[in-house]
Amino acid sequence: KQEVTQIPAALSVPEGENLVLNCSFTDSAIYNLQWFRQDPGKGLTSLLLIQSSQREQTSGRLNASLDKSSGRSTLYIAASQPGDSATYLCAADNNNDMRFGAGTRLTVKP
Amino acid sequence: DVKVTQSSRYLVKRTGEKVFLECVQDMDHENMFWYRQDPGLGLRLIYFSYDVKMKEKGDIPEGYSVSREKKERFSLILESASTNQTSMYLCASSLYSGGGWNTGELFFGEGSRLTVL
Repeated sequence: KQEVTQIPAALSVPEGENLVLNCSFTDSAIYNLQWFRQDPGKGLTSLLLIQSSQREQTSGRLNASLDKSSGRSTLYIAASQPGDSATYLCAADNNNDMRFGAGTRLTVKP
Repeated sequence: DVKVTQSSRYLVKRTGEKVFLECVQDMDHENMFWYRQDPGLGLRLIYFSYDVKMKEKGDIPEGYSVSREKKERFSLILESASTNQTSMYLCASSLYSGGGWNTGELFFGEGSRLTVL
């Protein structure tokens, strides 16, 4: 059964800093990997989807990479802003079985 | 824009009541899902559906049932609510990608926070 881990559980950075969020998974036979953002009390918002054949995806200040062989994905946020403060979750899809990490709670201080 | 709408953002129910949580998507997606999210336990899949009138159990189906009579609507039913079903319930949908069932890119609703007293 796939296990998805996100470390650290919480991260606090000053505004303007570039940062990396980590996601690791135990079963490399994934179909895709997704990154989501969740604001307090709200649903999840899809940020990036990386198919298994891809190495990375970019959207604005966000870049997600995927290394299936090592069971890792990273979400890079450039020039962080206070509005980026949220919980970021990754999810690995093993084709008929999607598993979520517990998330990294990010705080960007002005 | 993609939209998944959950009918109720906040509900308070009594133990033993029957509870309906409604979810509607406007993207013509085949797949629909119900998750619950609890602190320390993360997101857990309750049920999913990959077609009208089709349903599959997820990790924690006990105490729940679902209904999908139309493609755009997926309902979660708590036949007799209990206090341990107090949680945030999240509905999601995705487009069927062919070549075997897979989740695809998930789009979530805003969530329904249910409190059972």
